[in-house]
Amino acid sequence: EVQLVESEGGLVKPGGSLRLSCAASGFTFSTSTMNWVRQAPGKGLEWVSSISSNSGYINYADSVRGRFTISRDNAKNSLDLHMDSLRAEDTAVYYCARGRYYIDVWGKGTTVTVSS
Amino acid sequence: DIQMTQSPSSLSPSVGDRVTIACRASQGLSNSLAWYQQKPGKAPKLLLYAASRLESGVPSRFSGSGSGTDYTLTISSLQPEDFATYYCQQYYSTPYTFGQGTKLEIK
Repeated sequence: EVQLVESEGGLVKPGGSLRLSCAASGFTFSTSTMNWVRQAPGKGLEWVSSISSNSGYINYADSVRGRFTISRDNAKNSLDLHMDSLRAEDTAVYYCARGRYYIDVWGKGTTVTVSS
Repeated sequence: DIQMTQSPSSLSPSVGDRVTIACRASQGLSNSLAWYQQKPGKAPKLLLYAASRLESGVPSRFSGSGSGTDYTLTISSLQPEDFATYYCQQYYSTPYTFGQGTKLEIK
């Protein structure tokens, strides 16, 4: 079964840091472009970051560039998102997602809350 | 960035109705458009890509059309399980952007 499972999110104070992880199974992770997509409470979807199969191409939304870092470990079939300098507006459900252009596999999501 | 605008924002159709959702881009997409369905508390699900190609396992009552800047998602005969929020997404250029969503609510 193709599956993406995000690590538990959490409550973080503004200015704090958090790392999200995603474990992939059931498909060839090492040849797949991976993404993080988020959804603020009651809002729509926002693409956050993507990383190519060999980590050679990385892209970020303007809203997180310089604060978030995406990385992957193909040997461990895992995807990470390091989030620094967190803001209230980063509060959202974060989805790990597969797809070079459109997303054909989504994780169930993990909730990140930034609040004092 | 390419702006994506969906209309309407919400709709209250009845089971069996034909439903059309529009998505307009701020510039041409060359059919680089996908549609997703999202139910409350769940991850989105891919319905169509390349504007009109049905993802495997998606019922044939879902179809997509359009070109250039204007695209539509059509549900030919609405079923109870289709009440959800639908999003379009362009992948013509980064950052890949989504529409704001169209919520189908039970009348």
